[in-house]
Order: sequence, then C-alpha cells, then structure tokens
Amino acid sequence: AQSVTQLDSQVPVFEEAPVELRCNYSSSVSVYLFWYVQYPNQGLQLLLKYLSGSTLVKGINGFEAEFNKSQTSFHLRKPSVHISDTAEYFCAVKGGSYIPTFGRGTSLIVHP
Amino acid sequence: DTEVTQTPKHLVMGMTNKKSLKCEQHMGHRAMYWYKQKAKKPPELMFVYSYEKLSINESVPSRFSPECPNSSLLNLHLHALQPEDSALYLCASSQTGALPEKLFFGSGTQLSVL
Repeated sequence: AQSVTQLDSQVPVFEEAPVELRCNYSSSVSVYLFWYVQYPNQGLQLLLKYLSGSTLVKGINGFEAEFNKSQTSFHLRKPSVHISDTAEYFCAVKGGSYIPTFGRGTSLIVHP
Repeated sequence: DTEVTQTPKHLVMGMTNKKSLKCEQHMGHRAMYWYKQKAKKPPELMFVYSYEKLSINESVPSRFSPECPNSSLLNLHLHALQPEDSALYLCASSQTGALPEKLFFGSGTQLSVL
C-alpha cells in the first residue's frame, strides 16, 4: 500500500519570498514521486518527477524538489515566488500500483 | 500536439437527464483515465483504459458508464445522476500506463447536477 501526506493545506507567502511545500510518503516498495500543479479552473500539470538517480530534481517554472529516502519526504521548493504561482499543488506517489496516489493538496497563496 | 481536450467545459443537468462527457488526445497515448475532483480535494480515480480495454474500475456507480471508441477518444456517459455527483471531471492520458510515466490532464468538465 502507498500513501501521501501533505502536511499543510494552505501556505501564504509574499511575492519574491522563498517557499517550501511539504510532502511525506509511505510505501512498501520503491516509489516514483511527482509534484503536479493545478491553476484555477484547469487540469493538473506535471511540475517535476523523481524516478531514480540524483535526489535533487529540477522542474518547470523554477521549482525543485529533494527526495529524502531516510525521511520519506519529497518537499517542493522555490527560491522566489511570483503572483502567478498561486495555485493548488499536489504531491503524488506511484509504488506497487501503476495508478498514482495523490495527496490532499496544498494551496499556495502568493500575496503582493 | 500535447493537449488533452475535454468537452464541454461546463455542464448543468437534471437528475433524469442523459449526457456525455468527451475527451480527446492525439499524442498516441494508449492509456486514458477518468478522475473526479471535488473542490479543494485531490482527484479520485474512476476508470482506466489501457489499449482501449477497461483495466480499472474503482467501484464507480453504474450511473457512470465509460466508453473508449478508439485510441484517441474517451467518453463518460452519465444517466440518473445525483446532486452529490457534482464535481470537476478530469480526463488524463499517458503513453502506456507504465509506472514512471507522467499524466497529461485536460482542463476538465465542471458538472452541476440539479
């Protein structure tokens, strides 16, 4: 069985400040990890994914995430956010099943 | 073309109506998915088609009926829905459905059942 926990339901931040969105997972097998973003009234779009290799993964729009096996975490970071980053962010894991399990989502709210 | 196109974007229907949601992709993907998403919640998987065959049905009520006429099209037929079925319905596709693949999502159909 696999599961994903996104600890924060909402993260408010000021424009140009750094941000970290937290994600922890559990799985009995090796996993693939993903971050998706959903802008208002849109579908989900892949930001980045970890399959294997380097634990620091760079994605689109200046986001990056670090896979930490010992802490079973895959936190998403951006050094300087923009108003346009305001969206819902979903962490997802694929383990034994090829269907991804999504976290509950974190709403990133960027204030001017 | 890297898009998944869903129509209509919005749909309002009564509980006795029959309607269909449509999804189309021309990326040559052989796995297609229907998800249901309530506001402020993650997407919940409903159905998966792999090579035009239904491979996963996540215990969805029979008032939702999927159809995959060919490798580019995916439909969701709706009949006798309940108000609690109101949600955003998302279609997605991936190359083959294998583990590391990313999902490409459409923008969804916002469904309201009155």
